[in-house]
Amino acid sequence: ETGVTQTPRHLVMGMTNKKSLKCEQHLGHNAMYWYKQSAKKPLELMFVYSLEERVENNSVPSRFSPECPNSSHLFLHLHTLQPEDSALYLCASSQERGRGPDEQFFGPGTRLTVL
Amino acid sequence: GQNIDQPTEMTATEGAIVQINCTYQTSGFNGLFWYQQHAGEAPTFLSYNVLDGLEEKGRFSSFLSRSKGYSYLLLKELQMKDSASYLCAVTDSNYQLIWGAGTKLIIKP
Repeated sequence: ETGVTQTPRHLVMGMTNKKSLKCEQHLGHNAMYWYKQSAKKPLELMFVYSLEERVENNSVPSRFSPECPNSSHLFLHLHTLQPEDSALYLCASSQERGRGPDEQFFGPGTRLTVL
Repeated sequence: GQNIDQPTEMTATEGAIVQINCTYQTSGFNGLFWYQQHAGEAPTFLSYNVLDGLEEKGRFSSFLSRSKGYSYLLLKELQMKDSASYLCAVTDSNYQLIWGAGTKLIIKP
């Protein structure tokens, strides 16, 4: 595997379910990100991890819980979601946040539908 | 507040040239990115500008004017595969990326 991978690619869940999204980067990067992408809206940054420490949490509801066990893996745990949480969830990684042209590399995303 | 503006949708003809504009108002500036996103796929990096002027990369060029808070992405010799959304993003003083909503480019034969 190369680049940034995400699983699953599609997920349908009920409001009472608990599920997790997984992201893995094979680029040796130090920073990882979770974004939410809704139709015709800007990418919304949810969480940022730098060297496995959470450095940013942009007022995301507690029903979203991130986990970064090491610099290559990032999870987003989901529970008691709402229909408005249906969106494309993108994971990204970058070499080192806060230094110069820190290009982000994105995974293909998980299309989440909450019923 | 911080804001990135770009047109929602544009249409152009195969073989032609199209310019996608982006204006921004952010807390500080540490560079501007353009990404391409095909439907159902991940955004991919196109260009980065931090100094004023034009950066050319094959059929794609990106221009920046920091004093005007303005950038554009120029696509030449359009191909059908260029049909995609083009995302403008600015790095602010805290090195946070502020994203525009994207411009959907439709190429017609």
